[in-house]
Amino acid sequence: NAGVMQNPRHLVRRRGQEARLRCSPMKGHSHVYWYRQLPEEGLKFMVYLQKENIIDESGMPKERFSAEFPKEGPSILRIQQVVRGDSAAYFCASSPAGTNTEAFFGQGTRLTVV
Amino acid sequence: SQQGEEDPQALSIQEGENATMNCSYKTSINNLQWYRQNSGRGLVHLILIRSNEREKHSGRLRVTLDTSKKSSSLLITASRAADTASYFCATDEGTSGSRLTFGEGTQLTVNP
Repeated sequence: NAGVMQNPRHLVRRRGQEARLRCSPMKGHSHVYWYRQLPEEGLKFMVYLQKENIIDESGMPKERFSAEFPKEGPSILRIQQVVRGDSAAYFCASSPAGTNTEAFFGQGTRLTVV
Repeated sequence: SQQGEEDPQALSIQEGENATMNCSYKTSINNLQWYRQNSGRGLVHLILIRSNEREKHSGRLRVTLDTSKKSSSLLITASRAADTASYFCATDEGTSGSRLTFGEGTQLTVNP
C-alpha cells in the first residue's frame, strides 16, 4: 500500500506562470487535506476535500488558488499567476475517515518562484 | 499565542539523554498528534492521543495529554543522533474532518 504520493517533488516557476501540484491519497482514503509550510514555520491548513467536493477552504487565499479532487485521478492544487510569496513547501495529507483519524502526509512539493 | 504552540523552540542534547517537548493549545480537541520532520522532508506521524486518553507509549516515545491544562508533552528517551529533526504537535478540533492545526515546532538536535 503506497503512501500519499505527491508530484512533482520540486517545481520552479517564473512569476506569472501557473503551478499545478498533484496528490494521490493512500488507497482507500477519500479525504484529502492541503497544507502550506513557509521556511522555519509550521504547516498551515489550506483546504479539505472529499471526492468531488470541497468541504472546507477556509485556509485558501481568496484569489489565484484553487483545489479539486475529481472522481477519478489525483487531487490538484492550482496556483495561478504565481508570485514570489507563493514559494513554500506544499503538503498533502489523506485520511480514511472524516473525523478523529490519523492523517498520512506526502513528501511535499517544494515550489520556488523566480 | 496560537493553537498547538511548542516549547522550547530549540533543544540541543547529547546522545543518550532524554528530550522533552511541550505543546499548549487553546480550544477543545478530539485528539492531538505528534509529527517529526527531517530537514526538507515530509512529516512522519509519531503518535495520536485522543482527548479521553492521558498517556501513550510507542517504543522510546511517551506522550502525555492534560486536557484541563490544554497541554501535551512528548518525551524521547535514550535519544540518538538520528532523532535530530523538527517535532510538531497538531490538534484535531473535530470541526472539519481530520483537519489539523500545527504549532511552529521544536528543533531537536542530538549531538553524538
